[in-house]
Amino acid sequence: DAGVTQSPTHLIKTRGQHVTLRCSPISGHKSVSWYQQVLGQGPQFIFQYYEKEERGRGNFPDRFSARQFPNYSSELNVNALLLGDSALYLCASSFAKNTEAFFGQGTRLTVV
Amino acid sequence: GIQVEQSPPDLILQEGANSTLRCNFSDSVNNLQWFHQNPWGQLINLFYIPSGTKQNGRLSATTVATERYSLLYISSSQTTDSGVYFCAVGRPGNNNDMRFGAGTRLTVKP
Repeated sequence: DAGVTQSPTHLIKTRGQHVTLRCSPISGHKSVSWYQQVLGQGPQFIFQYYEKEERGRGNFPDRFSARQFPNYSSELNVNALLLGDSALYLCASSFAKNTEAFFGQGTRLTVV
Repeated sequence: GIQVEQSPPDLILQEGANSTLRCNFSDSVNNLQWFHQNPWGQLINLFYIPSGTKQNGRLSATTVATERYSLLYISSSQTTDSGVYFCAVGRPGNNNDMRFGAGTRLTVKP
């Protein structure tokens, strides 16, 4: 069975640009959450989507947005990139809210 | 919001030694997971354990929800156990987020 897949695995962008990260959850899972992990810290919650609706939002600026599609895959969009947005972005898949979460391999974003 | 503290922050062991990692949390939870982050950044599920005790090979975990802590035991450690171990908790509420601790970095020397 395929696990959580994220694309791309690595990305280099310039300050001010826009980026789109993609996530496909485990088959049958309806919840997708996004996390940002900067070097040396634990992951920080950005968004949760369940049944295609936003169910939770962390303390991130409006430059960060996301959506979930009818097939439960998800996109995370970041506008007007800053150097501080450089991080590992992790997607988590779960069957429902507050059930066991499974993470993808992450997208490593570098902003120069 | 809920606070999650992991200890120790760093741990260095000789191969074959045993270790205990601790996770304290500041409020009641209905979701607790232990993860191992490999050098490539992937979070590997170890245990989903909001309460009780579970064992999987050389690893076991116990969560005492009423006292707001969880323990991860690693026995007969191997060099492949090296990496960062995270505890993450969730509780019902508006945000549905999981709150991670800062992690314990384990180094197992041959």
